Order: sequence, then structure tokens, then C-alpha cells
Amino acid sequence: DAKTTQPPSMDCAEGRAANLPCNHSTISGNEYVYWYRQIHSQGPQYIIHGLKNNETNEMASLIITEDRKSSTLILPHATLRDTAVYYCIVRVASKAAVNKLTFGGGTRVLVKP
Amino acid sequence: DTEVTQTPKHLVMGMTNKKSLKCEQHMGHRAMYWYKQKAKKPPELMFVYSYEKLSINESVPSRFSPECPNSSLLNLHLHALQPEDSALYLCASSPSLEAPYEQYFGPGTRLTVT
Repeated sequence: DAKTTQPPSMDCAEGRAANLPCNHSTISGNEYVYWYRQIHSQGPQYIIHGLKNNETNEMASLIITEDRKSSTLILPHATLRDTAVYYCIVRVASKAAVNKLTFGGGTRVLVKP
Repeated sequence: DTEVTQTPKHLVMGMTNKKSLKCEQHMGHRAMYWYKQKAKKPPELMFVYSYEKLSINESVPSRFSPECPNSSLLNLHLHALQPEDSALYLCASSPSLEAPYEQYFGPGTRLTVT
């Protein structure tokens, strides 16, 4: 699975959009971008994933660049409960691949009032 | 029900003790996982079970012994642990090992080895 690079930490203001970048310049054509987050003292929580098109769900939006070498997770209206470590994971997602997550360092996001 | 439960929440054990961690899910998932997470570090995969059979062992020391008695239950038996084994132990499940599904995590068991 391709390696990802994320900033170690970032702050954002409550009510504003939080834009979390992830670099995955060695991504292969059959690798998806997954985002999980881990709120303090809880297990990781799945947020969203995508291959090349932008994706949106009730939690967030995922914007993947055209060359797929980077992506941005957008939390549209950050709340204090969004304070967490956010992990960007790139992995092959096909029936032939093992469903195994390799977590990198993540970005520690602090939402401030 | 999209919940993975883990018991106990906290466990303190001595280096000569034998204890077990328990994980349960009732989502009909056929893949289950154990991860270990040291303080301020990301989770690291330990074991993967698929259809109650061990599929992956990430070179984990034998003092950790996993068991999957049925499709809903996953145990991690602990024996002769070292203080450096103190960590948060996370269980996860997914519908299948092969398919690209997301994993659902439990809250973890915080283990302290004294």
C-alpha cells in the first residue's frame, strides 16, 4: 500500500470548514484513499473513501486531485466533537486484496471555540 | 446494530498472570481483527481472522494468543506479558476479509502490565 504524508497537527475554528490535506504521490491506479478518525479514548471511526471522483457523505467530503497524488478531507462545519486524530490511508480495495489497514501518523485536529 | 463491544474496558495484570480480552459483534461480519495501539502512536495490526480461521499474524509474540470461537466472538489470551505490552488493544470487524469494506472498531481495552 502507498505511503501517505499528513501534517502532524492543525487547528480550526468551530463552525468553519476544516480542510485536511494528505499527500500520496506513489498511489497506484487500483488504490483507494480512506479516511478514519480517532477521537480521544475511542476506537477509530470510518469517515469516507474514494478512488478518483470526489465523494460526499453525511460526515465529510473527499476531494482527490486529478493526478490522484493528493487529497483533502473537508469537514464542512467543524464542531468541538470533531477534535480527533485523522488518518489518511491508501490501500488496494478489491476482492483480491486483504482488507488490512496500515495507519500512518495522522493529523491531530483541534477544533477551537 | 453497528457496534463492536470489548470487555473489559481496563485491565491491570502482573507479568505472571493469564488474562483474556473479549470482543463481540452482531453485524454478521466474517472478518475480525486485533490491533495494538501504544500511547500517541497509530494502531498496528496484530491478527486477522476470516470465517473463524486465522488469516494473518503480523509476527506477534506467542504470549499473545488469539481465538475465534464463533463468528461473533474474538478473544485475545494474554500470558507472561511484559510492561512494554501495556497499550490500548482494539478489536475491529468488517463484512469480509477480501472485499474493500470499512472496518468497525470497538472502544478498546486499556491494558497495563505491572
